[in-house]
Amino acid sequence: KAGVTQTPRYLIKTRGQQVTLSCSPISGHRSVSWYQQTPGQGLQFLFEYFSETQRNKGNFPGRFSGRQFSNSRSEMNVSTLELGDSALYLCASSSPGQSKNIQYFGAGTRLSVL
Amino acid sequence: GNSVTQMEGPVTLSEEAFLTINCTYTATGYPSLFWYVQYPGEGLQLLLKATKADDKGSNKGFEATYRKETTSFHLEKGSVQVSDSAVYFCALSAVTGNQFYFGTGTSLTVIP
Repeated sequence: KAGVTQTPRYLIKTRGQQVTLSCSPISGHRSVSWYQQTPGQGLQFLFEYFSETQRNKGNFPGRFSGRQFSNSRSEMNVSTLELGDSALYLCASSSPGQSKNIQYFGAGTRLSVL
Repeated sequence: GNSVTQMEGPVTLSEEAFLTINCTYTATGYPSLFWYVQYPGEGLQLLLKATKADDKGSNKGFEATYRKETTSFHLEKGSVQVSDSAVYFCALSAVTGNQFYFGTGTSLTVIP
């Protein structure tokens, strides 16, 4: 079974631009969560999608948004980029059932904002 | 609310030394508890988990016991190897919903 795939692996953008990150979950997984990882703040929860609906949301500004498609793939968008948005963005998927609480992570997308 | 407090790093050990990374949590009810490991340039990998009080999770020589009375889930390994060098994250999954709460991570370096 293929793991969680995130694309692209690396991105370089300039302030004010917008960016879209993609995440393909493990086949059969319907929940996708997004996290921002920075050296100073650690792992911070952005939001979770389940069956195309946002189910949980962290404490991030409205510039951060996401969506999930009918095939469970998810995208995350950041508009009007700021220097402080430079981070590793991690996506995790999970499945209902006995192992529903285990999140499986992708390798991440490293975003650098110049 | 839910939160995880993890031992600050970095931790540097010699090969074959004993490892303990402390983790305590605050949560309502009985959350599931996890340890994840992150190797350089990679995402997080599940190392072990425990879903109820007194459960012991174990994997690759690592162990952690879910202690409800002390709200702790300390990670231990009897003899670390150079290949164990990584960042370790303690996490809990809330009783309701699917949201995870992570500790700040503890960087471990094992020297030969």
